[in-house]
Amino acid sequence: QVQLVQSGAEVKKPGASVKVSCKASGYTFTSYAMHWVRQAPGQRLEWMGWINAGKGSTKYSQNFQGRVTITRDTSASTIYMELSSLRSEDTSMYYCVRGWFFDLWGRGTLVTVSS
Amino acid sequence: EIVLTQSPGTLSLSPGERATLSCRASQSVTSNYLAWYQQKPGQAPRLLIYDASSRAPGIPDRFSGSGSGTDFTLTISRLEPEDFVVYYCQQYGNALAMYTFGQGTKLEIK
Repeated sequence: QVQLVQSGAEVKKPGASVKVSCKASGYTFTSYAMHWVRQAPGQRLEWMGWINAGKGSTKYSQNFQGRVTITRDTSASTIYMELSSLRSEDTSMYYCVRGWFFDLWGRGTLVTVSS
Repeated sequence: EIVLTQSPGTLSLSPGERATLSCRASQSVTSNYLAWYQQKPGQAPRLLIYDASSRAPGIPDRFSGSGSGTDFTLTISRLEPEDFVVYYCQQYGNALAMYTFGQGTKLEIK
């Protein structure tokens, strides 16, 4: 079954970091780009960055430059998104997504930042 | 960065009517790499249209996309009750490998 399975919800304090995982199955992991997209409650979708799952090269949105790191583990068909220096405005649902255009989405990981 | 502006912000129509949603880009979209997504409450978005006018697998033919350059349209020919949710446009594949979304259009029952 072609799917993306994300790790569970997280609660973090301001200033901390969070690392979210996304495991792919049912297709050739290294053949696709993978992205992270977030959505604050009631807000629009916001693209964060992507990784070439085969080569490992990355590109980040300027809105997150320096705070976000996307990595992958090809042996586990898994990508990771680490966001540092968390603030309350980072409270969002975080989605991993596959492809050139986003044809496969994970179900999302809720990250709550609260003191 | 390409900015996408969707209009209207909210569209009020009745089931069976035709819906026309607009997405305007601040500069020409490379190779018409423009997608449309549908998002139901509490769910991840779902791809409807890619490359401006190609329907994704499994998407009903009442959904169609058109446009080029800076002006794009999503048309829903006969609205079903489950279509009254939020729609986003997105551009992808530009030379800088950056992606952006529009702010969304909410389709509500009149």
